[in-house]
Amino acid sequence: AQSVTQLGSHVSVSEGALVLLRCNYSSSVPPYLFWYVQYPNQGLQLLLKYTTGATLVKGINGFEAEFKKSETSFHLTKPSAHMSDAAEYFCAVRIQGAQKLVFGQGTRLTINP
Amino acid sequence: DGGITQSPKYLFRKEGQNVTLSCEQNLNHDAMYWYRQDPGQGLRLIYYSQIVNDFQKGDIAEGYSVSREKKESFPLTVTSAQKNPTAFYLCASSIQGDSFNQPQHFGDGTRLSIL
Repeated sequence: AQSVTQLGSHVSVSEGALVLLRCNYSSSVPPYLFWYVQYPNQGLQLLLKYTTGATLVKGINGFEAEFKKSETSFHLTKPSAHMSDAAEYFCAVRIQGAQKLVFGQGTRLTINP
Repeated sequence: DGGITQSPKYLFRKEGQNVTLSCEQNLNHDAMYWYRQDPGQGLRLIYYSQIVNDFQKGDIAEGYSVSREKKESFPLTVTSAQKNPTAFYLCASSIQGDSFNQPQHFGDGTRLSIL
């Protein structure tokens, strides 16, 4: 069965430090990949997406992610964390041919001053 | 500004009662979705609709019903058959085409609780 795994339900980093949120998927066919961010009591907002082409994808708020087919990964990074980055982050995968997005369980990012 | 409006923000249901959650969008999107969010479980698809007057079950449709009579509106009814309805419900929409390849735009959710 297709699945998405986000390693670490909670990640804590210091302000100014590197942010790395991990996402792995299970699929033999390259999927469409998304990262969303959710602030408390709000809906999800798209950060970035990968469909085809360049494997390094730049998104909003200084985030980027790299699709690595050999590792079936789509990790999200930001060079320097800001207090406003504190939120929950979801990786989502559309397996080609499947009529749905599969979401990971989410990673809550905390930024320490 | 275009967007998705969900109402109410908080909703309480008594045992045996049906409740309807509203979702309206003015983005001119063809596809609309309902998700359920529980702590630590991510989002799970309840129903989706890619055109007016048509909708499909998602992974957890039991105990829920929807209608899509207008392009702008996709209400979700949580019926008494849904035994564990306490959750955060999110409505989303996306442009036409292979809709699951498109970014989804989300409303701010409705939090449903049982009295």
